[in-house]
Amino acid sequence: DAGVIQSPRHEVTEMGQEVTLRCKPISGHNSLFWYRQTMMRGLELLIYFNNNVPIDDSGMPEDRFSAKMPNASFSTLKIQPSEPRDSAVYFCASSRTSGTYEQFFGPGTRLTVL
Amino acid sequence: RKEVEQDPGPFNVPEGATVAFNCTYSNSASQSFFWYRQDCRKEPKLLMSVYSSGNEDGRFTAQLNRASQYISLLIRDSKLSDSATYLCVAQKAGSYQLTFGKGTKLSVIP
Repeated sequence: DAGVIQSPRHEVTEMGQEVTLRCKPISGHNSLFWYRQTMMRGLELLIYFNNNVPIDDSGMPEDRFSAKMPNASFSTLKIQPSEPRDSAVYFCASSRTSGTYEQFFGPGTRLTVL
Repeated sequence: RKEVEQDPGPFNVPEGATVAFNCTYSNSASQSFFWYRQDCRKEPKLLMSVYSSGNEDGRFTAQLNRASQYISLLIRDSKLSDSATYLCVAQKAGSYQLTFGKGTKLSVIP
């Protein structure tokens, strides 16, 4: 079975550019989470969706960040405009909402904003 | 104060040693707890859940003390392959959200 798929794996961009990160959750999982990880702050939850509906976006740092989940198999996290302080590893994770709540993480997107 | 706090380490231990990691959580509404493992430049993966009665999985033992809001992970007979960062995780009752500690780095030395 394929795990959580994220693309791109690495992104280098210049300040002010738009960045779009993509995620395909595990089939059958109906919760999806976007995290950001930095050395200073660790792993932080940005937003999570349940059945494609955003439930809690209180972790989204500011209006430059937006996330969508148009269907059960695809989500995007967009940063516009990007800033150097957005440089981090962005992980997408998915889980079921019954039984075990184990979250399965994708390999992450390493973003560098110059 | 962060919701989940861990000693960042690093812990450098020889092969075969026993090592223990501690974690405290501040939100008394936290109901479920986990240890995740993260290898260098990889994604976090679930290592084990933590139950009130304590639980063991091979060389790994997890303990929870709700009164002290304290969680521990014990690794016996450390292997080189145990080298990783160990993340303590709390989950509130009725929520799908996980709150991660910043992790404790372990290096097992030959």
